[in-house]
Order: sequence, then C-alpha cells, then structure tokens
Amino acid sequence: GAGVSQSPSNKVTEKGKDVELRCDPISGHTALYWYRQSLGQGLEFLIYFQGNSAPDKSGLPSDRFSAERTGGSVSTLTIQRTQQEDSAVYLCASSLTGATEAFFGQGTRLTVV
Amino acid sequence: GNSVTQMEGPVTLSEEAFLTINCTYTATGYPSLFWYVQYPGEGLQLLLKATKADDKGSNKGFEATYRKETTSFHLEKGSVQVSDSAVYFCALSAANTGNQFYFGTGTSLTVIP
Repeated sequence: GAGVSQSPSNKVTEKGKDVELRCDPISGHTALYWYRQSLGQGLEFLIYFQGNSAPDKSGLPSDRFSAERTGGSVSTLTIQRTQQEDSAVYLCASSLTGATEAFFGQGTRLTVV
Repeated sequence: GNSVTQMEGPVTLSEEAFLTINCTYTATGYPSLFWYVQYPGEGLQLLLKATKADDKGSNKGFEATYRKETTSFHLEKGSVQVSDSAVYFCALSAANTGNQFYFGTGTSLTVIP
C-alpha cells in the first residue's frame, strides 16, 4: 500500500474487555514495530518483528499484551482485560531491512472507560 | 545497550529565534541517526537522517550533524517559524541490534509569534 495503515483509528472499550489493533505495513517491509504514546509522553517501545526472526517482546508491559505477525505482513496487537492505564495512542511503523527510514501509521487511539 | 537521550521540554521560542535540541546516543558500532517530527494531530514523519560520522542531515531549514566523538546529533534551525511547533524525536538504528529503532522521549517545541 501507499503507507502504513492502522485500524481502527479510534477505539473506546470498557475496562476488562479485550481489544485487537491491526497494522498493515508497507508492502515489502520486513521490519515492523509497535509503540505506545500516552498523552503528552514520548514513545514507549512495545515489540519489534524482523523477518522470520523471533520478535523482540522486551517492551510489552504485561502478559495482557501480545502481538503476532502473520505471513510476514499484517500484525495484530492484542490487549486482554484492558485497564484504564492502557489508554494511549498505539503506533505501528515498518521499514526495509537495514538501518533505513521507519514509516509510521496514524495510530489507533485507545480509550478504556 | 543502545539508547537515545534528548533534552527535555517543553521548549518555547519566539518566531525567528535560533533553535537547538540536544540529542546524545549510546550505541555499539556505527548507528544511523534520525530526527522525526510529529505535528499536532499527525503521525510521526522523518525530518532528516545521517548514516555515518560527520554526515549532516538537512531538511526544511533544520540541520543535524553526526558527531561520533561526542556521540551527539543535535538538531538546529537558524530561524524558527510558528509552523515548526511540534514534538521532535531523536532516534537511532544499529545493525548490531537488528536495525531496531530506539527513540528518545521527544521534545515539544512551541513557537510564538
């Protein structure tokens, strides 16, 4: 596609519910990243996928968070039993192999009520 | 490990003032360095980059020089405009960590007329 696409753009969910956030990276990009940006805060790294290698999950804040990347393309970030502190903008980015530019999606704004 | 440290904000400047946002990094080897910008209500986008020591990245009047001796990549602009108001993120990507991106916490800039 033309850019990194994330869906939904906005999600309001009740505390305790599970949510799935989707990221469609740029076609051919082997690297995919998930970050979280809380209001007025910087970027918090969550998880990194690179090709067929095991993902770097070191940034996931708890075992309620998980992510997968199917067929080396689309990625889904799942948050189980959402809490109010999960409210944030979740950003996805992709890049080609190598230290090249990372392209960001517009993000999914998650609000847990 | 790899990390990026940038000056904390917020920064408030008058139009036409000189801007410097400091960024230093820690990395093994020879990372590529980046500045990303996030305008209000928008996603992150690449502002400029440098891939080796002494390279100068430049775009939209902004410049940053890759200084290996001081492990720095400070962002500068000679005369800021109101339209430069945004959050600026310094980042690095290094081959020794699979080219994963590491971001600083971001510096908010507000330019007043």
